[in-house]
Parts: sequence; structure tokens; C-alpha cells
Amino acid sequence: EAGVAQSPRYKIIEKRQSVAFWCNPISGHATLYWYQQILGQGPKLLIQFQNNGVVDDSQLPKDRFSAERLKGVDSTLKIQPAKLEDSAVYLCASSLVTRNTEAFFGQGTRLTVV
Amino acid sequence: GDSVTQMEGPVTLSEEAFLTINCTYTATGYPSLFWYVQYPGEGLQLLLKATKADDKGSNKGFEATYRKETTSFHLEKGSVQVSDSAVYFCALHSGGYNKLIFGAGTRLAVHP
Repeated sequence: EAGVAQSPRYKIIEKRQSVAFWCNPISGHATLYWYQQILGQGPKLLIQFQNNGVVDDSQLPKDRFSAERLKGVDSTLKIQPAKLEDSAVYLCASSLVTRNTEAFFGQGTRLTVV
Repeated sequence: GDSVTQMEGPVTLSEEAFLTINCTYTATGYPSLFWYVQYPGEGLQLLLKATKADDKGSNKGFEATYRKETTSFHLEKGSVQVSDSAVYFCALHSGGYNKLIFGAGTRLAVHP
């Protein structure tokens, strides 16, 4: 079974530029998460989708971050404009809707803002 | 809101030593609890889980027991190996949509 795919793996941009990350979850997984993991910290949930609807985006900085999930499958996370403090690894994960099931994570995208 | 607190690392042990990594949580209701592990250069993966009070999750020699009275889910292993060197994250499911909340992580380094 294919895992969660993310691209790109690495990205370096200048502050005030824009960037987009892509995630393809495991087939059949209705729940999709985007996390931000700053070096030395735990993953912080940015946004959670169930199918193509947002169920939690309470920690998403909506003035600069946006995300969508097309047809309840692939998802993109965008930052515009980027700030230095956005440097982090952006993780995508997916899971079944069933309670207590594990989330499967992609390898992440390491973003460096200079 | 719901949250997870882990002991700070790094934890440095010799091979075959006993490991404990403390985790406590704050949550409304009865969350499911998880330990995830991140090996060097790899993505996060589930290590073990427990879904109700007094449940014990176990995998690869690691164990953790869901203690509702102390709101804890401490990770233990009787004899660690060099290959256990990784970052360990305690996590919980919060709310009706399985919102997955993580602790800060604890780095474990095991030396021969």
C-alpha cells in the first residue's frame, strides 16, 4: 500500500515570497491533517479536513496560510507571504474516520525562509 | 483546551538500561492516547496506542498504560538498544473529529 506522498521535500525561499506544498493521502483516508513542526518542537496542527470539508483550522494563521483539499483527495497548503518564522517542516498525515485509528505521516517538506 | 506534556530531553542511556519517558495529558472526555516515534531521517510512525482507561499498549518491547486517575501515559522499555535512538512523541485524540494533538517530543540517545 502506498504511503502519504508529499512534495517537494525541500524548499528555500526568500521572505515575502509565496510557496505551496502538496500532499496525496493514502487512498480511502477521509481525514487529512497538516502540521507545522519547528525544530525541537512537537508537530502543531494547522488544519484538519474530513473529506473536502475543514473540521479544524483554529491554529492556521489565516492572514498568510491557506489550504484546500480537492475532491476530498489531494491537498495543498500555501503560504503567502512567507516570514522567517515559517521555517519548519510541514507534515501531512491521513487516517480513516474511525475513532482510535492511527494517522500515517508523509516524509514532510522542509521549508527554509531566508 | 486539550494538551499533552512530556518530559524534556534529551535522555541519554547506555544499551540495556531501563527507559521511562513521562507523559501527562489534559483533556475533556476520554481521549485515545498514542506514542509516535521519529527515527533519524524518517517520518513519524505509530509505536503504540491505548483507547480506554487501564489499557496497555505495547510494541517492539515498549509499553505504556493509560492511567485515568493520574492522566498519564508513560512510555517504558526494560532494555533499550542503540536502534531505539529516536524522538518519541506522546499524542491524544481530541474531540469528535479525532483531532490529533502532540507533545513536544523527547529525544532518546542510546550508547553502546
